[in-house]
Amino acid sequence: GAVVSQHPSWVICKSGTSVKIECRSLDFQATTMFWYRQFPKQSLMLMATSNEGSKATYEQGVEKDKFLINHASLTLSTLTVTSAHPEDSSFYICSAQASGKNIQYFGAGTRLSVL
Amino acid sequence: GQQLNQSPQSMFIQEGEDVSMNCTSSSIFNTWLWYKQDPGEGPVLLIALYKAGELTSNGRLTAQFGITRKDSFLNISASIPSDVGIYFCAGYDSGNTGKLIFGQGTTLQVKP
Repeated sequence: GAVVSQHPSWVICKSGTSVKIECRSLDFQATTMFWYRQFPKQSLMLMATSNEGSKATYEQGVEKDKFLINHASLTLSTLTVTSAHPEDSSFYICSAQASGKNIQYFGAGTRLSVL
Repeated sequence: GQQLNQSPQSMFIQEGEDVSMNCTSSSIFNTWLWYKQDPGEGPVLLIALYKAGELTSNGRLTAQFGITRKDSFLNISASIPSDVGIYFCAGYDSGNTGKLIFGQGTTLQVKP
């Protein structure tokens, strides 16, 4: 149980285009989903917290207009990187948490490369 | 932001050896989690700890929630090559911000 699916696992795009990443909890209802960014050889950096049906809460320094997050259902959250630039190239990871549970299950991550 | 102090930063051991890594915090935590991350993958949950003093095993892995609630350790017994990866401690502090706080990670390499 507690499987989180993240898609795509790898994407290459041209500078200026937008990329959407999906995160799905397959066997539980995720009232809260989180989006992280990870730089090489570093720990995970929280970008935003999203609760189902509410606007996402962004961490300081994360541009909400740049990284659009939607959490329309209890099993799906999406992150859209708008007008991507090479500096947005990174490893993005989502996680999902069920209501009342102090535990996060992570997706497999998405490697974004912006040319 | 707040971060856990995880050590050691890296380890290079011989297959069959036991491994120990730990995390400490300046504040009290009410949950400790240990994850393993393989290259190009997301973290996978290994062990979850919810009570001070709790000792939990998962196969060759054993983790403990420190009595002071400010530390936790993870032991791996009889290491094998597939144990290679980055191990992260993480936890929720008593402030209940809802955010998971991570350690810096321990990179483990196992020599066959």
